[in-house]
Amino acid sequence: GQQVMQIPQYQHVQEGEDFTTYCNSSTTLSNIQWYKQRPGGHPVFLIQLVKSGEVKKQKRLTFQFGEAKKNSSLHITATQTTDVGTYFCAGPASGTYKYIFGTGTRLKVLA
Amino acid sequence: DVKVTQSSRYLVKRTGEKVFLECVQDMDHENMFWYRQDPGLGLRLIYFSYDVKMKEKGDIPEGYSVSREKKERFSLILESASTNQTSMYLCASTRMGNTEAFFGQGTRLTVV
Repeated sequence: GQQVMQIPQYQHVQEGEDFTTYCNSSTTLSNIQWYKQRPGGHPVFLIQLVKSGEVKKQKRLTFQFGEAKKNSSLHITATQTTDVGTYFCAGPASGTYKYIFGTGTRLKVLA
Repeated sequence: DVKVTQSSRYLVKRTGEKVFLECVQDMDHENMFWYRQDPGLGLRLIYFSYDVKMKEKGDIPEGYSVSREKKERFSLILESASTNQTSMYLCASTRMGNTEAFFGQGTRLTVV
């Protein structure tokens, strides 16, 4: 079945360093979503990318959708302690409205 | 403010018990989902529903069933709870189409 993998599983960074998480799907995706889950919280939607090669920015966060629409990345510039949490990508299973979530990348920021 | 509400934040049940997890959304969303979250495994889809009384199996439906009698409510049922069903359970809802998912606060279920 369709799989969505993320690397790395964990990342510890010093405050101010950059951070990137990568998402890879076994199949082509019509779109991809990114979510953030704070410790003890629930996933919260960040953004959706639809077009091949699309790049979107939200302040210090940059999201990219690969040309082949099988991979995506989230890059955070100059991390802050408020960036702590687990970041998930999610892509739709072919022909359905159900989303397959990636395994997540847990980010820890050391002050 | 949109809301997805799960009936319990924490639940402790005994092996063999029948367990009901309830989820209610107030956004008139067509789609509702149940996921379980375990460390290192991400969110795995158990069941989802795209309309009242309609349901489809996700990736890990074994040991679970669901009920959707009203549009706003989606229930997850553990027919006979087992210790390997100890987990965080998350309910989510979306409008029809590929739109953002809104999650409930989660239910941490422990089966002893």
